[in-house]
Amino acid sequence: SAVISQKPSRDICQRGTSLTIQCQVDSQVTMMFWYRQQPGQSLTLIATANQGSEATYESGFVIDKFPISRPNLTFSTLTVSNMSPEDSSIYLCSVDSGFSNQPQHFGDGTRLSIL
Amino acid sequence: SQQGEEDPQALSIQEGENATMNCSYKTSINNLQWYRQNSGRGLVHLILIRSNEREKHSGRLRVTLDTSKKSSSLLITASRAADTASYFCASDQGGSEKLVFGKGTKLTVNP
Repeated sequence: SAVISQKPSRDICQRGTSLTIQCQVDSQVTMMFWYRQQPGQSLTLIATANQGSEATYESGFVIDKFPISRPNLTFSTLTVSNMSPEDSSIYLCSVDSGFSNQPQHFGDGTRLSIL
Repeated sequence: SQQGEEDPQALSIQEGENATMNCSYKTSINNLQWYRQNSGRGLVHLILIRSNEREKHSGRLRVTLDTSKKSSSLLITASRAADTASYFCASDQGGSEKLVFGKGTKLTVNP
């Protein structure tokens, strides 16, 4: 399975600032996704990172708040913009091979706290 | 997206006992996956079961799938303290690569 490196692993930020999270995969993958996990909650999909085109956002998430880049088939970034305490969450990237009935694999996540 | 339900939300057992977690989902699926998360870290993939499978084993793990009831269960046999974690099911919404996660079960295995 793909090895996924996510950076930073954790950060503490001031409200109003922005943070960019990186996700690097050791092999080319078709699909990359970004999820949010609020404290004590399950995972919610933020968006699908599309290589060479704009990301596809889920209901409740917008590009201005969570801009995403995917410059190639092994790398993606998620920016959390103009942060508030409500953005304190774990953010996780995942990859999918694109083949039917294959597991989706996750990075170790970025634990973000906003003061 | 609508999340599935998992029960119980929390489960505390003694080492050596079996742990059973249940999951329900809302749409037709191609497959359902189970993950483990240790203390707010990343997710570790455990098992993927396809919609045409009814049961799958991996070591001490057994997963069942009932598509007529839109439900799945994860059984961990002979549990160990190291099994302490949160367990999530995730369904693929009729073949989409997007996963819909259940609410998760927090398992505590006491030594």
